[in-house]
Amino acid sequence: AQSVTQLDSQVPVFEEAPVELRCNYSSSVSVYLFWYVQYPNQGLQLLLKYLSGSTLVKGINGFEAEFNKSQTSFHLRKPSVHISDTAEYFCAVIPPMDSNYQLIWGAGTKLIIKP
Amino acid sequence: NAGVTQTPKFQVLKTGQSMTLQCAQDMNHEYMSWYRQDPGMGLRLIHYSVGAGITDQGEVPNGYNVSRSTTEDFPLRLLSAAPSQTSVYFCASSYGQTSYEQYFGPGTRLTVT
Repeated sequence: AQSVTQLDSQVPVFEEAPVELRCNYSSSVSVYLFWYVQYPNQGLQLLLKYLSGSTLVKGINGFEAEFNKSQTSFHLRKPSVHISDTAEYFCAVIPPMDSNYQLIWGAGTKLIIKP
Repeated sequence: NAGVTQTPKFQVLKTGQSMTLQCAQDMNHEYMSWYRQDPGMGLRLIHYSVGAGITDQGEVPNGYNVSRSTTEDFPLRLLSAAPSQTSVYFCASSYGQTSYEQYFGPGTRLTVT
């Protein structure tokens, strides 16, 4: 079965430093990939998605992610974080050939911004 | 647009009690779903619906019922609450299964004692 691994449960980083949040998935065939963000005490919102085309995807709030098919990864990056980026970030995939297009979710990574 | 709304925001139940979590959307979305979120486990799909009158089970459906009589509403019923159902519940909607972007409600935090 398809699975999504977010390698870090928490990532502490200083304000204005770069950050990378890692996501790996188990399938080696084409998938659709997503990053969602959950700010404290709120629901989730879409940050960015990869469906096809360019492997570098830009999202909201200065985030971007790169799809790497050979490494089955979709890591999220931001060159300079702000205190307002404090949130939990979820990677999700839609498995190939899934007629119901159900999202498979990673466990989440908490981004902790240190002043 | 109010988007996706959920009520209540918080709820405490005793074991064995039943209740209904409400979810409504005003975006005319076909697809609606219920998730539960537990620490370190991401989101797990409970039930989903692809349109009025059509529902199906997700990954963790036991102990929950749903119905979809209108496009707008998708209530989740807990039949006999158990402590294992203590969680945060999110409702989400999208235009259809192929639109991929899901819009989430603010969540309901449920505690079962």
